[in-house]
Amino acid sequence: DTGVSQNPRHKITKRGQNVTFRCDPISEHNRLYWYRQTLGQGPEFLTYFQNEAQLEKSRLLSDRFSAERPKGSFSTLEIQRTEQGDSAMYLCASSSEQGSGEKLFFGSGTQLSVL
Amino acid sequence: GNSVTQMEGPVTLSEEAFLTINCTYTATGYPSLFWYVQYPGEGLQLLLKATKADDKGSNKGFEATYRKETTSFHLEKGSVQVSDSAVYFCALRDPSGGSYIPTFGRGTSLIVHP
Repeated sequence: DTGVSQNPRHKITKRGQNVTFRCDPISEHNRLYWYRQTLGQGPEFLTYFQNEAQLEKSRLLSDRFSAERPKGSFSTLEIQRTEQGDSAMYLCASSSEQGSGEKLFFGSGTQLSVL
Repeated sequence: GNSVTQMEGPVTLSEEAFLTINCTYTATGYPSLFWYVQYPGEGLQLLLKATKADDKGSNKGFEATYRKETTSFHLEKGSVQVSDSAVYFCALRDPSGGSYIPTFGRGTSLIVHP
């Protein structure tokens, strides 16, 4: 169990560019979440996968955002035409538990800065 | 909708002081409640949880009791250490509305001085 891995740790980009982040969950975890966190705020839900199926998306996830989990293992989050307001820490979490007491395992995040 | 409200930080304490971080929630049904902790440079990790009213979650000397009557889940520790300095997040998960997505509070920073 190597934990949830996110790459890159940091990404600096210019406004209007596209960026892609990767998340490798704990192996055999079938549930995967993406959250966004800005300074002084808690994690805000973006989207959720169970295996390869994307089951929920937040209204925060505009049409510039897309997430995939093609084989039910790693996931990617792409932001097209980045804006300065996209600057945030993007967190990935995974879990295998069902039921109300589900424990999420978080990665260390990808810090995005849009100049 | 569901929401979690935490006390504003930072909370600054001396080592061995008593800690309380307040958390109240709003939920449609009967949620499970969690405290997560984020140490500097690390990802969030589960500290403790309680899945029904009057349950007490505990871990590493921290405790929190699920109080349905006051919709609260306050985090307490009798004697804090410098190593407890971190950001603490209260969270809930309420599947009654059809969503299993955990909702987090804004976090409370704890700074413990030697």
